[in-house]
Amino acid sequence: GENVEQHPSTLSVQEGDSAVIKCTYSDSASNYFPWYKQELGKGPQLIIDIRSNVGEKKDQRIAVTLNKTAKHFSLHITETQPEDSAVYFCAAGYGSSNTGKLIFGQGTTLQVKP
Amino acid sequence: EAQVTQNPRYLITVTGKKLTVTCSQNMNHEYMSWYRQDPGLGLRQIYYSMNVEVTDKGDVPEGYKVSRKEKRNFPLILESPSPNQTSLYFCASSPGTGGQPQHFGDGTRLSIL
Repeated sequence: GENVEQHPSTLSVQEGDSAVIKCTYSDSASNYFPWYKQELGKGPQLIIDIRSNVGEKKDQRIAVTLNKTAKHFSLHITETQPEDSAVYFCAAGYGSSNTGKLIFGQGTTLQVKP
Repeated sequence: EAQVTQNPRYLITVTGKKLTVTCSQNMNHEYMSWYRQDPGLGLRQIYYSMNVEVTDKGDVPEGYKVSRKEKRNFPLILESPSPNQTSLYFCASSPGTGGQPQHFGDGTRLSIL
């Protein structure tokens, strides 16, 4: 069935360093890949998304890359700050689907040490 | 302010006692969905709705019911809660289907004893 694997489950970096979170998906029909940030006591918030016709997308310190052939995509955070500490989820969905279904990864807890 | 509002935020109850978690969005979104979040499993979809009076099962619908009588509301009903439904629940809404960003509520933590 459809599956999204996310690694690592925990990641600790020093402030100012870069952080990379990787996801692989199983369904080659997936064509929409959002990333969510979840802070303690809050719901997930969309931080960036990418569609399958694009290989890379950047938004200030955040970038996402997509390799459709290998079926994996990654989140890159540069110049990390303590406020980047949170749980991050990747997801895979179907841009032309009428279900709106998203398959989520297991989550990565990012800790940025000051 | 655009938001998805869930109530209650926390609930401790006992097995078999029917409960309803409400979800309301003020963005006139057509699509709404319920997820449960469990450690190590990410978010799994329970039910979704593409519009008023249109609902369908997600990946883990057993033990849950939903209704969509109005566009803004999408309540989640547990007719006979069991301990394995202890979880953190999120409601989400989206302008439409087909790869649209989903906006999440702040969650409801349910404990079924």
